Amino acid sequence: SAVISQKPSRDICQRGTSLTIQCQVDSQVTMMFWYRQQPGQSLTLIATANQGSEATYESGFVIDKFPISRPNLTFSTLTVSNMSPEDSSIYLCSANGPGGEKLFFGSGTQLSVL
Amino acid sequence: EDQVTQSPEALRLQEGESSSLNCSYTVSGLRGLFWYRQDPGKGPEFLFTLYSAGEEKEKERLKATLTKKESFLHITAPKPEDSATYLCAVQAGAAGNKLTFGGGTRVLVKP
Repeated sequence: SAVISQKPSRDICQRGTSLTIQCQVDSQVTMMFWYRQQPGQSLTLIATANQGSEATYESGFVIDKFPISRPNLTFSTLTVSNMSPEDSSIYLCSANGPGGEKLFFGSGTQLSVL
Repeated sequence: EDQVTQSPEALRLQEGESSSLNCSYTVSGLRGLFWYRQDPGKGPEFLFTLYSAGEEKEKERLKATLTKKESFLHITAPKPEDSATYLCAVQAGAAGNKLTFGGGTRVLVKP
């Protein structure tokens, strides 16, 4: 399995500020994804982080709000920009394991926006 | 659009009381159905992948089965440590490796 580390694990932020979440995988992976889990709900895919090119965003998510970087095969960042209380969620990084199809997840970043 | 529905939303069991969780799906070209366990404050932990109807997989007290329309996660003689949210997800068609998740089933096993 792939070991995925995220930081910060939690943060409390003020409205209008931005937060960058880092995701580090312990091995080279082809696919990395960012999910959001709103309180009491299941996971919703934000975007696929593509190495060396722009991320692919799902319907309802835009690059200006959630810019993503992926400079290499083991690292990605997600920025939550101009935050509002509605952005309070758990943000999860995931990556495919050695076999390619199984997705493994980091422990998440608990974000609270005041 | 791929759809995944899990039932029940919540399940309270006595220790040793076996039960089943349901995951029904509507997709174009199922490539894989995944079960995850999620504990509070943690990311989902991979349990099983099922690829074709009739397939079954087991791990300790958990057994997952798959038909053409749904999957079941059977919990046999559960223990309190089996308390968690169980998530079902599908990988389908040309969607690449991304997963579409159901709403989850919160399981509480009381001693």
